Amino acid sequence: QSVLTQPPSASGTPGQRVTISCSGSSPNIGTNTVTWYQQLPGTAPKLLIYNNNQRPSGVPDRFSGSKSGTSASLAISGLQSEDEADYYCAAWDDSLYGYWAFGGGTKLTVL
Amino acid sequence: QLQLQESGPGLVKPSETLSLTCSVSGGSINSNNYYWVWIRQPPGKGLEWIGSIYYSGSTYFNPSLKSRVTISIDTSKNQFSLKLGSVTAADTAVYYCARALWLLPIYYFDYWGQGTLVTVSS
Repeated sequence: QSVLTQPPSASGTPGQRVTISCSGSSPNIGTNTVTWYQQLPGTAPKLLIYNNNQRPSGVPDRFSGSKSGTSASLAISGLQSEDEADYYCAAWDDSLYGYWAFGGGTKLTVL
Repeated sequence: QLQLQESGPGLVKPSETLSLTCSVSGGSINSNNYYWVWIRQPPGKGLEWIGSIYYSGSTYFNPSLKSRVTISIDTSKNQFSLKLGSVTAADTAVYYCARALWLLPIYYFDYWGQGTLVTVSS
């Protein structure tokens, strides 16, 4: 059972806009910033979004992030076939002695 | 370009200790504001943070694994290591090493190793 809750799957057709949600609680998303990672099949995760809505250099502006209260979202506009991947949210959790919390991951299918 | 590479046995027997090393190249492990991290992913499942270490040796661990985990760092070799004791089949996973920037409120895992599959089986 993951500390952060994501839908297990999402889908869209090329060109569409899809969103993936990430629900947490006060010690994690409610207090700290959210990061998002993209994992293509058979590869290591790649940083997609940090500080809730910032994109590292090289990440297309089709990817955007937002946060409100204890929830966050990743939006992908102009969906492309190469966006088919698993997406994970993550945040530091201040409870106990502090730890990194991940969402369970969302498998995005491009139809 | 920073590169991380995991190494270690791909097969470990139940009740024994899993040992992995992450070799860092293209940059120094003696870097301020960066933690060195172990993350695992059981087959077909999500990511789980195992623990982190700073170049000074300070560590943080996942509370659910803390009693079985040791993470150490060797700055002279630019490496850090993971030991996970008393393993069971539930510890079968791809193990990743990664670098984490820690500059609050900004933090993220920016460089990852390719991952190494460790299977726990007799």
